[in-house]
Amino acid sequence: QVQLVQSGAEVKKPGASVKVSCKASGYTFTNYAISWVRQAPGQGLEWMGWISAYNGNTKYAQKVQGRVTLTTDTSTSTAYMELRSLRSDDTAVYFCARASVYSTSSPDYWGQGTLVTVSS
Amino acid sequence: DIQMTQSPSSLSASVGDRVTITCRASQDIRNDLGWYQQKPGKAPKRLIYAASTLQSGVPSRFSGSGSGTEFTLTISSLQPEDFATYYCLQHNSYPRTFGQGTKLEIK
Repeated sequence: QVQLVQSGAEVKKPGASVKVSCKASGYTFTNYAISWVRQAPGQGLEWMGWISAYNGNTKYAQKVQGRVTLTTDTSTSTAYMELRSLRSDDTAVYFCARASVYSTSSPDYWGQGTLVTVSS
Repeated sequence: DIQMTQSPSSLSASVGDRVTITCRASQDIRNDLGWYQQKPGKAPKRLIYAASTLQSGVPSRFSGSGSGTEFTLTISSLQPEDFATYYCLQHNSYPRTFGQGTKLEIK
């Protein structure tokens, strides 16, 4: 069965960086993409970016562009989201989700979420 | 960017009620829309894709319709486990955008 398992919760200071992992199993990793979505406490869902596990192509939301980098390691079927220069308003649960490479469908399977807390 | 306007933002209903949630896109997105259910502390779960196709394993009381700029999610007969927050998501163009969410509460 398809599973996306994310790394554990993080507490970071303002200005630091965080790297969240998302390990995929149950499907051919390079046949899909991974989207990243975050949710601040009590708020809605916010799309952050997308990476093709097939060729590494990326798309980023303007709000985090320049501070976020999405990567994949096809040898371990793992996707990574690194966010730099953290601010208090980056405090959120970060989700990875399996997405289509050709944008033909909405994300189907989701990771369990990783809470990132930014606090001095 | 495509704006997704979801309404209502909250809704009180009773078990057995029929409810409808609407998403309007700021431009034509064909049928490039999914509907998600999220319960507190959990990841979103896809209910509907391609605007009207029921995700495998999702009860048939859920249905989606629409294309272009107007979309609806209908729950034909609310069950206790349906009280949650619902979101639409367009995947027609980047950046992807979600509706603001509809919190469905028990009356």
